[in-house]
Amino acid sequence: QKEVEQDPGPLSVPEGAIVSLNCTYSNSAFQYFMWYRQYSRKGPELLMYTYSSGNKEDGRFTAQVDKSSKYISLFIRDSQPSDSATYLCAMTGGSYIPTFGRGTSLIVHP
Amino acid sequence: GAVVSQHPSRVICKSGTSVKIECRSLDFQATTMFWYRQFPKKSLMLMATSNEGSKATYEQGVEKDKFLINHASLTLSTLTVTSAHPEDSSFYICSASPGTENSPLHFGNGTRLTVT
Repeated sequence: QKEVEQDPGPLSVPEGAIVSLNCTYSNSAFQYFMWYRQYSRKGPELLMYTYSSGNKEDGRFTAQVDKSSKYISLFIRDSQPSDSATYLCAMTGGSYIPTFGRGTSLIVHP
Repeated sequence: GAVVSQHPSRVICKSGTSVKIECRSLDFQATTMFWYRQFPKKSLMLMATSNEGSKATYEQGVEKDKFLINHASLTLSTLTVTSAHPEDSSFYICSASPGTENSPLHFGNGTRLTVT
């Protein structure tokens, strides 16, 4: 079992939909959780960074962490075609080096 | 803030030649930078950790003599792919963190290397 599991998709949704992206993990030492967005042929861009269980909101994005279930989510409201990208979850337990999921490819069609 | 700049964005070279990729932290100092490799539709694979003023730490299976890393200052790390072969063609991405060990990494925009 990989430390971080993430469905690669692709996930295809219509414009305006609410998108839910998820990762599960097995290492209970993970305490810091990140979501990155990566457009094709670009480096990953940090979207959200959270520490504790619960929700964190930033504009149309909400990150949710459930440490008891070892499950994290990223919600995108009012999705736009420009949100089409690969979304990578990442987590760390106190190291510079995060463990990444394999990324979920999201396609938002007009 | 926390901008990481990587250059060049794309390079094509012939087999047997060497290619240098630069990674700069523009608005912060980074004692540690990281080099990743990414294959199409795959996640990031950590190649090495670049430490300012000391030798890089390579991940298992990464040839340190092929992928030379130099971290000469707190804002610059370079990756040199020596004697490049077509199988070295890939997307290379550097990253750095402006804060403590728990701070998230910020990534450069990557370098697409094609070896012909």
